[in-house]
Amino acid sequence: QVQLQESGPGLVKPSQTLSLTCTVSGGSISSGDHYWNWIRQHPGKGLEWIGHIYDSGSTYYNPSLKSRLTISVDTSKNQFSLKLSSVTAADTAVYYCARVTGDHSMDVWGQGTTVTVSS
Amino acid sequence: DIQMTQSPSSLSASVGDRVTITCRASQSISTYLNWYQQKPGKAPKVLMHATFNLQSGVPSRFSGSGSGTDFTLTISSLQPEDFATYYCQQSYNTPFTFGPGTKVDIK
Repeated sequence: QVQLQESGPGLVKPSQTLSLTCTVSGGSISSGDHYWNWIRQHPGKGLEWIGHIYDSGSTYYNPSLKSRLTISVDTSKNQFSLKLSSVTAADTAVYYCARVTGDHSMDVWGQGTTVTVSS
Repeated sequence: DIQMTQSPSSLSASVGDRVTITCRASQSISTYLNWYQQKPGKAPKVLMHATFNLQSGVPSRFSGSGSGTDFTLTISSLQPEDFATYYCQQSYNTPFTFGPGTKVDIK
């Protein structure tokens, strides 16, 4: 079955760029039936949708993050990535990648990766 | 953005209890409403999609109802493994938004 795994630095300095990659295994990112999301969860808080990307490269971003956000896909590596620039302590969170199905539910999630923004 | 609210924010219940969690959207979202369960330190897990549809592998004690702006998740007989936080999420349009969560703990 399809599995997702986030990877990237766990510590990022303020004002720098947070970069994470989600590797898809057990299935193709280019299946066409799904699209690929990033979600984050601040410590002890609820879930915030960051954005998503289709295998075509089309993206949708949360307006609250749009000016700092880039989501990209590498179909040859079966991966998609997130870059969030000019980070502050407010970007400290657990970051999840997730697959969205045709009925727009997030049916497969990565285990999450904790990113701390601190000098 | 569509705002999602949930009530209650937390509840205490016993094994075997019937539990109902309510979710409300700030505008009509038809039936584009999903429910997730999250346990501490774990990723969320989808329980219900498109309001009524039980995700494969999820026990039938979970059910969902509603349309438009008001939705409910019902657990017919609470089991020990159901103690968790539950989130609703609208997928009607972007930005996708989640409710603040309902924590279900042991009475």
